Order: sequence, then C-alpha cells, then structure tokens
Amino acid sequence: QKEVEQDPGPLSVPEGAIVSLNCTYSNSAFQYFMWYRQYSRKGPELLMYTYSSGNKEDGRFTAQVDKSSKYISLFIRDSQPSDSATYLCAMMSSNDYKLSFGAGTTVTVRA
Amino acid sequence: GAGVSQSPSNKVTEKGKDVELRCDPISGHTALYWYRQSLGQGLEFLIYFQGNSAPDKSGLPSDRFSAERTGGSVSTLTIQRTQQEDSAVYLCASSYRDSNQPQHFGDGTRLSIL
Repeated sequence: QKEVEQDPGPLSVPEGAIVSLNCTYSNSAFQYFMWYRQYSRKGPELLMYTYSSGNKEDGRFTAQVDKSSKYISLFIRDSQPSDSATYLCAMMSSNDYKLSFGAGTTVTVRA
Repeated sequence: GAGVSQSPSNKVTEKGKDVELRCDPISGHTALYWYRQSLGQGLEFLIYFQGNSAPDKSGLPSDRFSAERTGGSVSTLTIQRTQQEDSAVYLCASSYRDSNQPQHFGDGTRLSIL
C-alpha cells in the first residue's frame, strides 16, 4: 500500500462547478499538508500549505485536513477553464524535508 | 529570476551517454531538492542539499546518479551511462530552510533516452 493515496480521476466538470479532490494517507507522523497544481509540461505550483487539522481558505480554494481520519481535501469553488490541470497532494512529517506525493488527479473544466 | 530555474528544459540523448542537468534555486533558499517524475512512479525524491552538503542521497536510483551544489546556490545532477529507464522529468525544488517549509519547484528537465 502506498503511503499517500489520491483519487485517480480524471475529473471533468462544467465551468462554475465545485471541484472536490481527496487524498488519504497512512503515516500518522505527517503534520504538513500541501496541494500543488501542475499544468502540462510545467512544474508543480504550490497552491495551499497547511499544518495539522482544520480548514484554510485562499480565494476560491479551500483546503481541509482531518488528521483523525488521515484524510485531506481541496475544494475549488466557481471553477474556471484555467483550473484545468493535474492536482497533487503532498505531505511531510514534522522536522522533515522529504515530501510524499499522491499520484495526482487530472481535472478538466469545460467552458 | 523570481522562481527556480532549470536547464535544459528538454534533453534527448543516446543510451550510454552522460547528461548534466542544472538547477538554479530561488535566491536566499538554503535547501535544494531533486525529484524525478515518471508516468508509472509519480514524483520520487532523489536527493536533498542543505547548503553545499547532501545529508540525504537515499533516493538516488543507482551509482550512475550523482549531484553537487556549489556556493550554496546552483546544483547539477549528473547521470552517467544513461539507460532508457532514466527517461523522466527531473524536477528541482528549493525552500527557505529544510524542515517544515513549503518547497517551490522549477519546470523541470524532460529527459529522453533513445
């Protein structure tokens, strides 16, 4: 079993819909949780960086962490065609530097 | 530049040749990381630098892979005697310190071994 499991997708939604992305993990030492967006032939771009459980909002993006269930989510409100990309979850233990990534979910927002 | 810069963006070479990939981190970032992204394996950690030292080389796939960092800035990843399984996107990231910091990635070098 992989340390980080991510819903594989692909996901196709109409413009304006809410996009919901999820990852589960098995390592209870993970404390820092990140979401990256990756466009085709580009590097991962950091979207959200959160510590421990709770919610964090940034514009149209909301990240949720539930450490008791070992489950993290990213919600994208009012999705736009420009949100079409692959989304990667990543996590890290405290006092560590090595990121463990999910496999990525490819999202297409249809105009 | 403001972000992590990697060169070349694409590299095509013949099996058995050596290749050098370069990474220029964000100014002021002391920690630097190399990852490899391939279709079947996702994103895999290769090596981490703090300053010019590499405390963790655990992800390097074989002794054909080596990396160095000079002046606490630019890093070079070298692959000797390339094999077809080395074909992948090699990504570099940097962070302000090492632990507990978000990592910022470059656009990678897309390596193809013929």
